[in-house]
Amino acid sequence: KQEVTQIPAALSVPEGENLVLNCSFTDSAIYNLQWFRQDPGKGLTSLLLIQSSQREQTSGRLNASLDKSSGRSTLYIAASQPGDSATYLCAPGGATNKLIFGTGTLLAVQP
Amino acid sequence: DAGVTQSPTHLIKTRGQQVTLRCSPKSGHDTVSWYQQALGQGPQFIFQYYEEEERQRGNFPDRFSGHQFPNYSSELNVNALLLGDSALYLCASSLVGSNYEQFFGPGTRLTVL
Repeated sequence: KQEVTQIPAALSVPEGENLVLNCSFTDSAIYNLQWFRQDPGKGLTSLLLIQSSQREQTSGRLNASLDKSSGRSTLYIAASQPGDSATYLCAPGGATNKLIFGTGTLLAVQP
Repeated sequence: DAGVTQSPTHLIKTRGQQVTLRCSPKSGHDTVSWYQQALGQGPQFIFQYYEEEERQRGNFPDRFSGHQFPNYSSELNVNALLLGDSALYLCASSLVGSNYEQFFGPGTRLTVL
């Protein structure tokens, strides 16, 4: 059974800092892994999708890496901004396209 | 390009009632998955529909049922509502044979009193 852990649970940083969010999962037989952003009471916005054969993906100030064999992924956010404040969720997906979520990292970027 | 849409936005019901939530997938997508997100938790997979059939199901009781229509839209039905069913219900769509990236709708907030 896939279990996902995200560390830290909460993070507060001053604007401009670079930061790393961590995600670990117990079953390495994944098809892909997605990182999402969720604003309070809202739906999920897909940030990055990494296929199991890839090591990393980049979009703007975001970079996600995947080490499938060790069951780890990281999301790197460069030059953080107050608008980045949200909950970040990682979700490995199996061949059946079912996503398993952790409880997320609540990020607050202070102006 | 229309994204995933869900209706209604909010819903208040009482225990024992029944509720139907609706989802229209992103244009071109053929697979719809439903998730339940309790406050402070990550989303939990309820079930997935493809070709109008339930393809896989998470650990939810039979009170939770669904349907997919020929236009790929979907409904989630919950019978005999319990207080614990209060949550944000999220719909996600994807396309079989693609990279399986899932796109989520804004969710329906269900409150059971």
